[in-house]
Amino acid sequence: DAGITQSPRHKVTETGTPVTLRCHQTENHRYMYWYRQDPGHGLRLIHYSYGVKDTDKGEVSDGYSVSRSKTEDFLLTLESATSSQTSVYFCATGTGPGGNEQFFGPGTRLTVL
Amino acid sequence: ELKVEQNPLFLSMQEGKNYTIYCNYSTTSDRLYWYRQDPGKSLESLFVLLSNGAVKQEGRLMASLDTKARLSTLHITAAVHDLSATYFCAVDFAAGNNRKLIWGLGTSLAVNP
Repeated sequence: DAGITQSPRHKVTETGTPVTLRCHQTENHRYMYWYRQDPGHGLRLIHYSYGVKDTDKGEVSDGYSVSRSKTEDFLLTLESATSSQTSVYFCATGTGPGGNEQFFGPGTRLTVL
Repeated sequence: ELKVEQNPLFLSMQEGKNYTIYCNYSTTSDRLYWYRQDPGKSLESLFVLLSNGAVKQEGRLMASLDTKARLSTLHITAAVHDLSATYFCAVDFAAGNNRKLIWGLGTSLAVNP
């Protein structure tokens, strides 16, 4: 069984609608991360969590919020989607703080029309 | 400024040839990771380099870390088509009590028959 899953895997939505992406892990890793990947920009950190109910901003957090109510789940919400948020979103987990090895989920391709 | 630079960003090579991908970083770190990403897929951890002089090998790939030069190399020996992918390096940076991974932009490798 995959240790990290993301849902949905693909989504098309319209500008202005809220969108929630889910990351679920069975690894019991304390740290979880949301990244976006765009051509020419590599991976950029949106938000991360260092424990249940403990979250912090990454480098591109504007327009995004997160929640983590239990170890296994980390939710990313686009409060009002914009076309600039069209991207591939990856969830990652880690056993130690941000500078440790991270393990990635399969990704969610989001298109905002 | 924390920067991780990979070069080249694009590499087209023939099967059977050798080549090296470089990862330079801007400030002190002794932990570096290499990941592989196939088109449309997630990131897979390849190598974890945790100290100066660390060398890891897996098949036709060998990674090394020189913390004094702030440089890691990913050497490809006798390339085969299956190595075609994008390769990312990520460097662990500590800032006060925080640690984070800073990612290179990736090297897109195409191995041609």
